[in-house]
Amino acid sequence: AQRVTQPEKLLSVFKGAPVELKCNYSYSGSPELFWYVQYSRQRLQLLLRHISRESIKGFTADLNKGETSFHLKKPFAQEEDSAMYYCALRSVGGSARQLTFGSGTQLTVLP
Amino acid sequence: GAVVSQHPSRVICKSGTSVKIECRSLDFQATTMFWYRQFPKQSLMLMATSNEGSKATYEQGVEKDKFLINHASLTLSTLTVTSAHPEDSSFYICSASKSSGTEAFFGQGTRLTVV
Repeated sequence: AQRVTQPEKLLSVFKGAPVELKCNYSYSGSPELFWYVQYSRQRLQLLLRHISRESIKGFTADLNKGETSFHLKKPFAQEEDSAMYYCALRSVGGSARQLTFGSGTQLTVLP
Repeated sequence: GAVVSQHPSRVICKSGTSVKIECRSLDFQATTMFWYRQFPKQSLMLMATSNEGSKATYEQGVEKDKFLINHASLTLSTLTVTSAHPEDSSFYICSASKSSGTEAFFGQGTRLTVV
């Protein structure tokens, strides 16, 4: 069974401070990992995926298979980063393409 | 970009009635759509996978007779909550992927309140 754990329900940082949202997963095969973000009163949207190895809005996330982690990081948080962040996993291959979500972390960036 | 639209965004219904929620992919074809349920301050829980032209696949613990899913076309899937009860009150979200893509696009969600 696949499982995604986000240990922090709430996270507050000051503007300009570094931020790290933790995500750990358990999965027996090779997973695809994603970070989704939901800004206030908006729909869930993709922030980044591990296979792209890209930086979106200053955020990066590295898949660490040894630690089974996919933490989301940003060196200098901005107020507009305040949102709900969900880590998600999808199995590679097979017919199932649904996502398994973590419980989410509410990030608040304080002025 | 790809847009997924859900309708209605909010609905209040009386206990015992049925409610239909629509999920449309506006500018792409989606052979597969997914229905999630989200409880307050909790994660999205997959309810079922909706496949165009075939029966939906339900997750364990989800009553298929209560949550009827129809995916009659490549751009529309519907979720009908039958004989709704107050405990069915929740936020329902659908997502869809392009046939050739890996990214999931989400609808804005539907807030169902059963009174």
